Parts: sequence; C-alpha cells; structure tokens
Amino acid sequence: AQTVTQSQPEMSVQEAETVTLSCTYDTSESDYYLFWYKQPPSRQMILVIRQEAYKQQNATENRFSVNFQKAAKSFSLKISDSQLGDAAMYFCAYRNSGGSNYKLTFGKGTLLTVNP
Amino acid sequence: DTGVSQNPRHKITKRGQNVTFRCDPISEHNRLYWYRQTLGQGPEFLTYFQNEAQLEKSRLLSDRFSAERPKGSFSTLEIQRTEQGDSAMYLCASSIFRDRVDGYTFGSGTRLTVV
Repeated sequence: AQTVTQSQPEMSVQEAETVTLSCTYDTSESDYYLFWYKQPPSRQMILVIRQEAYKQQNATENRFSVNFQKAAKSFSLKISDSQLGDAAMYFCAYRNSGGSNYKLTFGKGTLLTVNP
Repeated sequence: DTGVSQNPRHKITKRGQNVTFRCDPISEHNRLYWYRQTLGQGPEFLTYFQNEAQLEKSRLLSDRFSAERPKGSFSTLEIQRTEQGDSAMYLCASSIFRDRVDGYTFGSGTRLTVV
C-alpha cells in the first residue's frame, strides 16, 4: 500500500517570502501522480499543482512550484511571494496511474500560517 | 455548473441515530468518491462509484455505512446507529477521466458531530 508522509505539522512564513513544504511517499509503482491540495478554513479542497511521475520536469503554477525527486520519493512544494490568502492546510497526495487509479492517498497535512 | 454540492453542511446527532448525507456531483462527471477526514488527519478514502456502480469500498466502511448512487447522478451516504467515533468531516468528490488526467473536484463537506 502507498503511504504519504508530511513531516511538518505547521509552518509559518512572512508575507512576500518563500516557504517550502515537504512530502515523502512510498510506492512500488513506477507510474503515478502526485498532488498538492490546499484546504482553506472554508474546508473545500482545491488542487494547487500536479506532477506526473514519468515527467522529469518539475511542475510550476504561477507562484507554486514543486521539487520532484523520484529516486528519493520526495515531492516538496515551494510557494514564492507568499500572500495572506495562501494561509491554509496543505495536503500532499498520491494516486496510481494504473489499477485503483481513482483513489487518492493523502498525508496528514501541513498548516501554513502567513504573517503580515 | 456550480461544482460539487454537499448537504447538509453540518449535522449534530445523538449516538444511535441514523444520518444521511447527500452529494450532487458535477453533472458530466461519471466518477464519484466519498472520503472521511478526522481532526488532524488527511482525508481517507471510503468508497468509489463509476456511474451507478459502487466499485470499491474501503475497510473503513463498516456494515453501518452504506452509499448509493442511483442512476449515476447524486449520491447518498447513510450511517446507521451512529457512534462518537463517526464524528468527522465527510467529503464528496467527483471526476471524469480524460487524456490521462482525472481531475478531482471536492465539495465543501458535511461535518458530523455525534453527541
């Protein structure tokens, strides 16, 4: 079974600074997807960024980028120019691309605080 | 289309009562999922529907839990004889698989408190 570990229960960052959230995972599959989701206090989970394991290039979405290290099974999220609206719970998630490719496995989350 | 809708947003019930939650997915999405999220944890998979067929149930889903998706549209999740351990946020999500991409859209969840 796949597992996802987020070792930072809480992180804080000053507005306009950069912060990196860590995630490691365990799988025996070679093809899979990794995700970062944001869950603001309103509780609706929103997709931040997606990485396909077969792609070597790290995904970027505006101020959000990932550092995907497949051999190390590491998938960190970097938020640049942090904004107050970035404050939320962030979850790292894994999904197979083959069998059971519909099911997401989540980490426990990192609570990000953005200080003005 | 306004996204995935879940009702009610909050439910407080006494231990031993039955509760039912509803999820209305995005209309074109043929896949529907239920997840449970307890305090301090990430969401955990409960069950999955493709159209009206329930294709997988997690071991987390005891016999007191039942989910349906009649006609492949909305879905209901029923918990019978609720226990305090059932207190959690119940999240619904829907998706459609296109071009190797299966983008989930989550609802805002139903928060259940069993007293």
